[in-house]
Amino acid sequence: DTEVTQTPKHLVMGMTNKKSLKCEQHMGHRAMYWYKQKAKKPPELMFVYSYEKLSINESVPSRFSPECPNSSLLNLHLHALQPEDSALYLCASKSRAGPGYEQYFGPGTRLTVT
Amino acid sequence: AQSVTQLDSQVPVFEEAPVELRCNYSSSVSVYLFWYVQYPNQGLQLLLKYLSGSTLVKGINGFEAEFNKSQTSFHLRKPSVHISDTAEYFCAASKETSGSRLTFGEGTQLTVNP
Repeated sequence: DTEVTQTPKHLVMGMTNKKSLKCEQHMGHRAMYWYKQKAKKPPELMFVYSYEKLSINESVPSRFSPECPNSSLLNLHLHALQPEDSALYLCASKSRAGPGYEQYFGPGTRLTVT
Repeated sequence: AQSVTQLDSQVPVFEEAPVELRCNYSSSVSVYLFWYVQYPNQGLQLLLKYLSGSTLVKGINGFEAEFNKSQTSFHLRKPSVHISDTAEYFCAASKETSGSRLTFGEGTQLTVNP
């Protein structure tokens, strides 16, 4: 099974809402990622978890809060977002945190902030 | 700093024609190189990777790429494209000192016309 799943597929939320994005993999991967992707642009790294510990936070605003409850699951909690946060949010995983391994991407959650 | 440059933002071709998508990287140390494809409203899928060894790398869907250290290039090729190859293609690189980060190029939109 080489699949990364993400739920929900689409999400519309107001600027005062609290919502969460979920990502799951059962490949035994120990590094998991959150990316934000705007239209016609490459993914931008937000967070990296390595062995369930946050290892990289790319100076992401605190209205985005990641959580890694176990080695298979990664959440992104959203609160008080802005319209410019509307984007495709991608989750990825790879077997180890080192550079010589490929990342497996999920299908993404299309987020619209109104 | 490491960078990845995709030399063409858009490449239109006719069906069954050959195609080359160009990618150059800059790094003073050994790099690992990847090509990903993104179909509309989907996540990224790995086409192929270069980690070490043979400089000609074969991937899925009939794609191949050649690692050229002297030219610092990793161009993607396919001898005969199909309509279904229409997608965004991203070249990406990582290196030992970049930790878990993957540096993406800006992407190339390949459009295959009948």
